[in-house]
Amino acid sequence: DTAVSQTPKYLVTQMGNDKSIKCEQNLGHDTMYWYKQDSKKFLKIMFSYNNKELIINETVPNRFSPKSPDKAHLNLHINSLELGDSAVYFCASSLRWTSGTDTQYFGPGTRLTVL
Amino acid sequence: AQKITQTQPGMFVQEKEAVTLDCTYDTSDQSYGLFWYKQPSSGEMIFLIYQGSYDEQNATEGRYSLNFQKARKSANLVISASQLGDSAMYFCAMREVRSRNTGTASKLTFGTGTRLQVTL
Repeated sequence: DTAVSQTPKYLVTQMGNDKSIKCEQNLGHDTMYWYKQDSKKFLKIMFSYNNKELIINETVPNRFSPKSPDKAHLNLHINSLELGDSAVYFCASSLRWTSGTDTQYFGPGTRLTVL
Repeated sequence: AQKITQTQPGMFVQEKEAVTLDCTYDTSDQSYGLFWYKQPSSGEMIFLIYQGSYDEQNATEGRYSLNFQKARKSANLVISASQLGDSAMYFCAMREVRSRNTGTASKLTFGTGTRLQVTL
C-alpha cells in the first residue's frame, strides 16, 4: 500500500552509462515531480508533470529525460552518466495545484552512485 | 525568485524539551504555502506541517507547531516535548506555482536544512 514508490533504491553504475529510475504513485494525484538531493543534502526540483504534461523543467541537462506514460507514473532516464550525477533522486506527487495545500508526498529516494 | 533561509545548520535539544527551528523566506507572491519536512537518517522525506499565507491561525499537528510571522517573513517550526526519534534533518520549503501552455503545477523551493540532535 506504498503511496509513492521508486525503483531501484540503489543504483551503482559506470560513467558514460545510461540508466532509468521508475516512479509510481497510487494516491490518484495529478502532479508528479523529480527532485535531486546532492551530497550536502540540498534538495532542488528538476521536473514537474501535471496530467502527463511537462510543466516545470529547472535547467536540467538534456541528458535527463523524464517520461510520464500515465498520471500514476513518472520515470527518469539519464544518458551518458557523469560523476556529478551522483545524488539521491526523489520522486514526489501531489493532488493538483488548485487543491489547497497541494502537499507533496515523496518516494523513498534512489541513491545513484556514478563511478 | 523565491528564497528560503535556514540559518541553523545544527541544533541540540534535550529529550522532553521544546526546540525551535528557524526559517525565513522571501517572495513577491501574495499567495504562497510553507512546508516543513523531516528527513531521518533512513533518508525518506516526511511531511510534517503546512501553513498557507492567508491562514490567520498558526498551524499545529500534534507536537509540531508553526510560528508564522508574516510581516517578518518567518515560519519557524516548534517541536514540543522532543523525543529521541525526532533526531533528523528538517527542511523548510515554500510552494510556488508555475504555468506554461500545457498546464500549471507547483514546485517546492527548499532551505538548506537543520540537523536536529535530541540528547538524553
